[in-house]
Amino acid sequence: GAVVSQHPSWVICKSGTSVKIECRSLDFQATTMFWYRQFPKQSLMLMATSNEGSKATYEQGVEKDKFLINHASLTLSTLTVTSAHPEDSSFYICSARDRRILMNTEAFFGQGTRLTVV
Amino acid sequence: AQRVTQPEKLLSVFKGAPVELKCNYSYSGSPELFWYVQYSRQRLQLLLRHISRESIKGFTADLNKGETSFHLKKPFAQEEDSAMYYCALMGRDGGYNKLIFGAGTRLAVHP
Repeated sequence: GAVVSQHPSWVICKSGTSVKIECRSLDFQATTMFWYRQFPKQSLMLMATSNEGSKATYEQGVEKDKFLINHASLTLSTLTVTSAHPEDSSFYICSARDRRILMNTEAFFGQGTRLTVV
Repeated sequence: AQRVTQPEKLLSVFKGAPVELKCNYSYSGSPELFWYVQYSRQRLQLLLRHISRESIKGFTADLNKGETSFHLKKPFAQEEDSAMYYCALMGRDGGYNKLIFGAGTRLAVHP
């Protein structure tokens, strides 16, 4: 199956700094990427959907200026947590799919990034 | 708005027993429904999708539009089925697709 790679797998940063998380599709073109946040023992909460070459669409309650998403190419999307605070500590997961392939609706998931803000 | 409901947080069964993980959805259009599984310390992976009407690892799920359900079933549970199971719905909202998840059900299969 298709592979989605997230980097880094875990990161610790100081409060007030920014952190960038990369999500790459290794063997397919990801025209759509989804970014999720998962709290301990909870489900995946969709943060935003990004389509290659256009601005991301954020879910209600997600701060666009805090969680910057860039999807500049068909294989790379980035999530930047700006001015991170301890409450931003969480597990962030990306997912990608190639929506151009008819009937190919499957989304492939990265391994996730554990962010800890101290 | 689209919504996925998984009423059970935990389902505990013995090996060989039948399993049914419930999933109900709310969506105004034609939904695309999936079951994803997450084994311990592994990433989320697709188990099955309704358009394929397939059986994977003995699991099946039938879309019931009348009841807006997509329950996951397996006649005889195995210990290796122990994992977190998420029901997911791909729908269109405001002109773009979004994939949302239910709360998840932890399946524990005991020997």
